[in-house]
Amino acid sequence: QKEVEQNSGPLSVPEGAIASLNCTYSDRVSQSFFWYRQYSGKSPELIMSIYSNGDKEDGRFTAQLNKASQYVSLLIRDSQPSDSATYLCAVNGGYQKVTFGTGTKLQVIP
Amino acid sequence: DTAVSQTPKYLVTQMGNDKSIKCEQNLGHDTMYWYKQDSKKFLKIMFSYNNKELIINETVPNRFSPKSPDKAHLNLHINSLELGDSAVYFCASSQGLAGGPTDTQYFGPGTRLTVL
Repeated sequence: QKEVEQNSGPLSVPEGAIASLNCTYSDRVSQSFFWYRQYSGKSPELIMSIYSNGDKEDGRFTAQLNKASQYVSLLIRDSQPSDSATYLCAVNGGYQKVTFGTGTKLQVIP
Repeated sequence: DTAVSQTPKYLVTQMGNDKSIKCEQNLGHDTMYWYKQDSKKFLKIMFSYNNKELIINETVPNRFSPKSPDKAHLNLHINSLELGDSAVYFCASSQGLAGGPTDTQYFGPGTRLTVL
């Protein structure tokens, strides 16, 4: 079983819609959760981090964490073509190691 | 000023050669990492160093040897390069040990290694 799982996509949404990206993880002791965005040919950059159950909002982005279900998601409201990228979910499962998922490719259609 | 820099950006070499990739961060961070991203975009940690001390050494062939001369630098030396080593290698740094609010990782631009 993979430690961090994401649907590889592509997830296609029309411009202005809400994009919903999901991630599940296997290690119950995980404490820290991150969403990184990676444009093609570029390096990953952090969008959101979340540590407690519930929602965390930052502009058009909302991260949701449910530790009981071992599930973390990222919602992007009012999606823009510039949001088209691969979104990597990352989980700290302890031992100072952050494990990345394989990423979900998002395409926002103008 | 680039926060995390890597050289070279591209590296094309023959099988069996030895090569090095250099990484420097000017963020004052204590922890540095090497990641490998394969053709399917899977980003996998290879090593991490905290204050020049090796913290994480994943299941990586002995041909890969990291070296941290100081807190701001973490270099990666690869011996006897193989076709399967072709990938993009990312260096990253964080203030803490990848577990809490100080542990945002900042990535370098990547080094695309192609082994022929």
